Amino acid sequence: DQQVKQNSPSLSVQEGRISILNCDYTNSMFDYFLWYKKYPAEGPTFLISISSIKDKNEDGRFTVFLNKSAKHLSLHIVPSQPGDSAVYFCAASGYGGSQGNLIFGKGTKLSVKP
Amino acid sequence: EAGVTQFPSHSVIEKGQTVTLRCDPISGHDNLYWYRRVMGKEIKFLLHFVKESKQDESGMPNNRFLAERTGGTYSTLKVQPAELEDSGVYFCASSQSPLAGTVYEQYFGPGTRLTVT
Repeated sequence: DQQVKQNSPSLSVQEGRISILNCDYTNSMFDYFLWYKKYPAEGPTFLISISSIKDKNEDGRFTVFLNKSAKHLSLHIVPSQPGDSAVYFCAASGYGGSQGNLIFGKGTKLSVKP
Repeated sequence: EAGVTQFPSHSVIEKGQTVTLRCDPISGHDNLYWYRRVMGKEIKFLLHFVKESKQDESGMPNNRFLAERTGGTYSTLKVQPAELEDSGVYFCASSQSPLAGTVYEQYFGPGTRLTVT
């Protein structure tokens, strides 16, 4: 059973607008969340992370919001650029003391149209 | 600084054959991880090395998979004998050792695409 879920396989937005990617998780023991971006034929690239003791982390155009009570996090990209077009993976860490391994969602393919 | 490298980038083998994948982590990273993505599914954890020791191998699918990390540097993942369901992209990642209460991000290699026919 999936512990990290990205329910939208794809998302299309216009350049300059906001992209919002969503992620839900089931295990309340997760204590760290990360977003990765992946281009075709490349490995995932780290984008931004958030600790479970925070509810927001911002890095330039990227902001991650965490709602622990809803077990939900989202990644906001503002403004969106065509170069942001990629697959975005949500990942969680910290379950059961195994801090190292990441548990990934299936990914959301973002297309930013000029 | 060189990133995580993996070799080969693509391997096509027949069912029953043996394949060895190699990963070179970022220099100085004690932690090395193997993940696998089967087509259409999520990236799944296989195992975690801290230096040369296996910290967690709970994700290894079965005993046809053998991972080693000699001297705490590069790592190999051997599949013997390969089965059709082993096809997928195998990613290696590395990270620094986290301080208490933190998690350092993992840096991924480009992956090895394994096709078993």
